[in-house]
Amino acid sequence: DTEVTQTPKHLVMGMTNKKSLKCEQHMGHRAMYWYKQKAKKPPELMFVYSYEKLSINESVPSRFSPECPNSSLLNLHLHALQPEDSALYLCASSQRENTGELFFGEGSRLTVL
Amino acid sequence: RKEVEQDPGPFNVPEGATVAFNCTYSNSASQSFFWYRQDCRKEPKLLMSVYSSGNEDGRFTAQLNRASQYISLLIRDSKLSDSATYLCVVNPRGGGNKLTFGTGTQLKVEL
Repeated sequence: DTEVTQTPKHLVMGMTNKKSLKCEQHMGHRAMYWYKQKAKKPPELMFVYSYEKLSINESVPSRFSPECPNSSLLNLHLHALQPEDSALYLCASSQRENTGELFFGEGSRLTVL
Repeated sequence: RKEVEQDPGPFNVPEGATVAFNCTYSNSASQSFFWYRQDCRKEPKLLMSVYSSGNEDGRFTAQLNRASQYISLLIRDSKLSDSATYLCVVNPRGGGNKLTFGTGTQLKVEL
């Protein structure tokens, strides 16, 4: 079982809805990430938090808003999404930034109608 | 040229076979290298890091050739459970944690 927990596992939302994805880890990791993955494509980095501060934003549209309330939690707030935003959203953590050894959650599969 | 290139496969092999995947990267200053596996509709999982001197973990052997800018993964005595997509991942020097993922190589191990 993964030690990074994501909820919900599945989410269907309309283009006017506001929803949030949640991620939690209790491994004491100080870096947390959001990735987006479309079918048959590799994961694409969206955001990196290091020691609870946003360190990388890969020019993600503002309709995606990350939040890191504490060192164990990471949220992704969603608002006014488009159908092309439908994808698997993966949260990951690592002991520190600048390591390639990531632990991924099972992902939240998002469908935007 | 893509930053990280992999043959997408699929590689269809019988159980017990030995199979090898290669991955090439374009940034000669790349710092560290990894293999992840991803099962269908699941999350990626770290399989192994790749060290300069090469490293082995059970049936899996990873090699790095910095001069030719490629890494390889060798799987011996393939099992049905090895069926997955294998992602080559590169950490560029000074890139923070902006890992570059290859598109993956699909392996199907058959009876």
